[in-house]
Amino acid sequence: KQEVTQIPAALSVPEGENLVLNCSFTDSAIYNLQWFRQDPGKGLTSLLLIQSSQREQTSGRLNASLDKSSGRSTLYIAASQPGDSATYLCAVRDWSGYSTLTFGKGTMLLVSP
Amino acid sequence: DAGVTQSPTHLIKTRGQQVTLRCSPKSGHDTVSWYQQALGQGPQFIFQYYEEEERQRGNFPDRFSGHQFPNYSSELNVNALLLGDSALYLCASSFGDRPFQETQYFGPGTRLLVL
Repeated sequence: KQEVTQIPAALSVPEGENLVLNCSFTDSAIYNLQWFRQDPGKGLTSLLLIQSSQREQTSGRLNASLDKSSGRSTLYIAASQPGDSATYLCAVRDWSGYSTLTFGKGTMLLVSP
Repeated sequence: DAGVTQSPTHLIKTRGQQVTLRCSPKSGHDTVSWYQQALGQGPQFIFQYYEEEERQRGNFPDRFSGHQFPNYSSELNVNALLLGDSALYLCASSFGDRPFQETQYFGPGTRLLVL
């Protein structure tokens, strides 16, 4: 059974810092990995999707890397801003199912001005 | 183009009652998945509907059931509510059953509180 772990569980940084969020998964036979953002009490917004054949994806100040063999992904946020404050969730989609996702518990990020 | 919509946004029920949550997928999507997100946890997969049939199911009891209509909208029903059913229920839509689809699109969720 696939398990996804995210470290740290919470992170508080001052504005402007570069930061790294970590995600690990137990079964490397994944189809893709996705990073989501969730604002309090809200739904999920997809940030980046990395296919299993890719090593990284970039969108603006966000960069996500994938090392499938070691079961790890990192989300790098450059020059953090207060508006980045949210919970960041990592999810993997493996080959055994259809389009269902297995999520980690998330990293709660607070960026202070 | 409307995204995934869910109703109601919030709901309060008491133990033992039954509840129905609704989801309309993004335009052009034919597959609906439901997830339960307890406070402080990541979403957990409940089940997925495609062509009006339950195609895959997560580790949830039979109290959780669903339905998909010909217009691809979906309902999630939970019977005999327990306190532990309190959670944010998320609906996600996607297209088809091929593994090449890009991503699931999530709705804003329905917050269920069971007292």
